[in-house]
Amino acid sequence: EDKVVQSPLSLVVHEGDTVTLNCSYEVTNFRSLLWYKQEKKAPTFLFMLTSSGIEKKSGRLSSILDKKELFSILNITATQTGDSAVYLCAVLSSGYALNFGKGTSLLVTP
Amino acid sequence: DAGVTQSPTHLIKTRGQHVTLRCSPISGHKSVSWYQQVLGQGPQFIFQYYEKEERGRGNFPDRFSARQFPNYSSELNVNALLLGDSALYLCASSLQVRGTEAFFGQGTRLTVV
Repeated sequence: EDKVVQSPLSLVVHEGDTVTLNCSYEVTNFRSLLWYKQEKKAPTFLFMLTSSGIEKKSGRLSSILDKKELFSILNITATQTGDSAVYLCAVLSSGYALNFGKGTSLLVTP
Repeated sequence: DAGVTQSPTHLIKTRGQHVTLRCSPISGHKSVSWYQQVLGQGPQFIFQYYEKEERGRGNFPDRFSARQFPNYSSELNVNALLLGDSALYLCASSLQVRGTEAFFGQGTRLTVV
């Protein structure tokens, strides 16, 4: 059975800190790994990773995939209160469904 | 450009009733997927439709059904509602059946009482 595990499940940091969120997976026929940010309702797409070792970057957020060790990390530098959200990791494998982890709840305090 | 739109945004139903949720994908997207998200969990896959055909189904009972229309919009139907069906129902659209980014709508918050 495919498995996606995110850690930590929750995190509280101060504004300006750097955070690293982890996502490990065990799936058959891996195709891609996606990161989403969820505030209240709609998950907002952040990154899709398919190749190992290639960092994707958007502003203060970056992510990298390690297909050998079966994990990905999402880094957020110089955190702001607006970064407070649940960060979801999802893996697309041989089927048609995104298989999500439980998410990491991030709270950035002023 | 409009994103993925879902309706209604909130809904309260009584046990045993049925419900229909609607989703319009991003223009040009032919694939629509439905997910159920309960509090504290990641979204769980229910269905995927592509070009009006069911391409995948998650581990949900037959009370759940869906369809996709010629304009690629979709409906999710749930019959004989149970208290445990209370959740956020999310619709995601993507350009192709797989291998491309999926973009989510705001969701429908269903409460069954």
